[in-house]
Amino acid sequence: QVQLQQSGPGLVKPSQTLSLTCAISGDSVSSNSAAWNWIRQSPSRGLEWLGRTYYRSNWYNDYAVSVRSRITIIPDTSKNQFSLQLNSVTPEDTAVYYCGRQVGHYFDCWGQGTLVTVSS
Amino acid sequence: QSALTQPASVSGSPGQSITISCTGTSSDVGSYNLVSWYQQHPGKAPKFMTYEVSKRPSGVSNRFSGSKSGNMASLTISGLQAEDEADYYCCSYAGSSTWVFGGGTKLTVL
Repeated sequence: QVQLQQSGPGLVKPSQTLSLTCAISGDSVSSNSAAWNWIRQSPSRGLEWLGRTYYRSNWYNDYAVSVRSRITIIPDTSKNQFSLQLNSVTPEDTAVYYCGRQVGHYFDCWGQGTLVTVSS
Repeated sequence: QSALTQPASVSGSPGQSITISCTGTSSDVGSYNLVSWYQQHPGKAPKFMTYEVSKRPSGVSNRFSGSKSGNMASLTISGLQAEDEADYYCCSYAGSSTWVFGGGTKLTVL
């Protein structure tokens, strides 16, 4: 049974970097059949796919156009986890952030969610 | 990409059937049979209910069924039960290794 456990701060100051980590159990970040995603949810934007990392003999990333200039998703094979870094945050980045496993084109397992507030 | 369009709310009585629509464009829903649906109870993470338009993962009731016609996908829930009351979101592959979600629909079981 796959489980995803998120960690990271719930408060980030404007212009700083939002950093979250998702620890994986029951699967591997290096899986050849899964991808590891970050998705956020806010009242104004609903659910928004942000990006993913995955391994297919090499590491690859895909990012949403809306955040492409500010986002990095990094796998950590030694800890079997992956991380989100979102730079230059503004109050509009306030949201609940979820990590999720993707198999094919659907998200079959989600983390518990982390509310991140951007405020000084 | 713009979010897929869903009605803000739908309602039905126990035992009835309801359908939630999800309207996209020819660049997402209309181009790929890669629509999935998610159920979200308050304070919980989304749970996936259907994938590739009409397939159901093991453990999901056959009361949930998905379909698609043109740029619009739909989720039908038959035999409504109290525990079906939740928010529902559609999601579609949008090309170029990107995915787009709908704005969500609140289902109320009367």
